[in-house]
Amino acid sequence: GQQLNQSPQSMFIQEGEDVSMNCTSSSIFNTWLWYKQDPGEGPVLLIALYKAGELTSNGRLTAQFGITRKDSFLNISASIPSDVGIYFCAGPIYNQGGKLIFGQGTELSVKP
Amino acid sequence: EAGVAQSPRYKIIEKRQSVAFWCNPISGHATLYWYQQILGQGPKLLIQFQNNGVVDDSQLPKDRFSAERLKGVDSTLKIQPAKLEDSAVYLCASSFMGAGETQYFGPGTRLLVL
Repeated sequence: GQQLNQSPQSMFIQEGEDVSMNCTSSSIFNTWLWYKQDPGEGPVLLIALYKAGELTSNGRLTAQFGITRKDSFLNISASIPSDVGIYFCAGPIYNQGGKLIFGQGTELSVKP
Repeated sequence: EAGVAQSPRYKIIEKRQSVAFWCNPISGHATLYWYQQILGQGPKLLIQFQNNGVVDDSQLPKDRFSAERLKGVDSTLKIQPAKLEDSAVYLCASSFMGAGETQYFGPGTRLLVL
């Protein structure tokens, strides 16, 4: 079945550094979603991408929908301590009524 | 606007016991989802409701898990009997309609089965 693979699994960075993470699949997706999950909370949608090649920003976050439609990237610029959390990519499975599958997440730690 | 509410937030039970989780979606949202999130993994869809009808329950272990959304609003998810491998966070999410709509997640119920 369809799977999403995220890398890296975890990152430890210094406050102020830029961060880059990605998500790949062997299948094509028509939508890519990036969520953030804070400890003890549910995931919150950060960015949604709907078109191959699309580049979308949300404050210090920028995400891109890969041209092949099999990957997506999320960049965080000038990281701050509140960026700590787990970042998930997700996408709807084709022809299954909005059913999402999620990657395994990238855990981000930021040292002040 | 109030978010998705879930209770309890935490539950510890022994294997073979029963447990139930409750979810109240965002007002007006027709679609409700239950996800299981095992530690170190992303959420996995268990069941999806559209109003009070089941859209997808293909990944629900029906021998022990059940869910209902009788009046198309609140929902309960039950596990009976629980196994050790059911230890996870159970997330409820809702969306205005379904396919293509943003899903809003609740804080989850953390279940530990001993």
